[in-house]
Amino acid sequence: DTAVSQTPKYLVTQMGNDKSIKCEQNLGHDTMYWYKQDSKKFLKIMFSYNNKELIINETVPNRFSPKSPDKAHLNLHINSLELGDSAVYFCASSPRLAGGNEQYFGPGTRLTVT
Amino acid sequence: SQKIEQNSEALNIQEGKTATLTCNYTNYSPAYLQWYRQDPGRGPVFLLLIRENEKEKRKERLKVTFDTTLKQSLFHITASQPADSATYLCALVFGNEKLTFGTGTRLTIIP
Repeated sequence: DTAVSQTPKYLVTQMGNDKSIKCEQNLGHDTMYWYKQDSKKFLKIMFSYNNKELIINETVPNRFSPKSPDKAHLNLHINSLELGDSAVYFCASSPRLAGGNEQYFGPGTRLTVT
Repeated sequence: SQKIEQNSEALNIQEGKTATLTCNYTNYSPAYLQWYRQDPGRGPVFLLLIRENEKEKRKERLKVTFDTTLKQSLFHITASQPADSATYLCALVFGNEKLTFGTGTRLTIIP
């Protein structure tokens, strides 16, 4: 009965590889997000989708490509991984896009690029 | 550009006392301000939301205040317990609807 789930929880890979992280929410929410938390624990938004439509795309390298096959899923594909991509990536969802809604976060995916 | 600062990177409080965490921002005021708790190895968990036209919000032992003149929010935990030990994040929502997080305060309640 997990609300927001992510797979995998840990991902260790080498520079130059391509990897994907999957996210699913069973809350019936319209809006989903990807955040990156760096080694200093600073949490920064990367993307948001509302009903499968891209709404927010922060200044993220185009090696990062989100895909939302339906409003319950938001996946993140990363091409040509670099050392600086090492971080914890969190998926989140909220009932609607409006800022007055709380966000529900997944458990995170710790990505280590060697 | 907008800056959000949480006053202490780490805060130690004796059990039973009130813990007060600060979130300061620059420039224009947000429409909403949210507080989250994050435990090690886990995702943030929503605690409270306060709107720009609200001064104070309470939920059980938690209280949030919002002062748009001082550009500051205070987060209080009364009768603190060791289980309250975690990192607390403030997050501001401006017109573009995205959450902008502060740097976080790591709170430790000492038994």
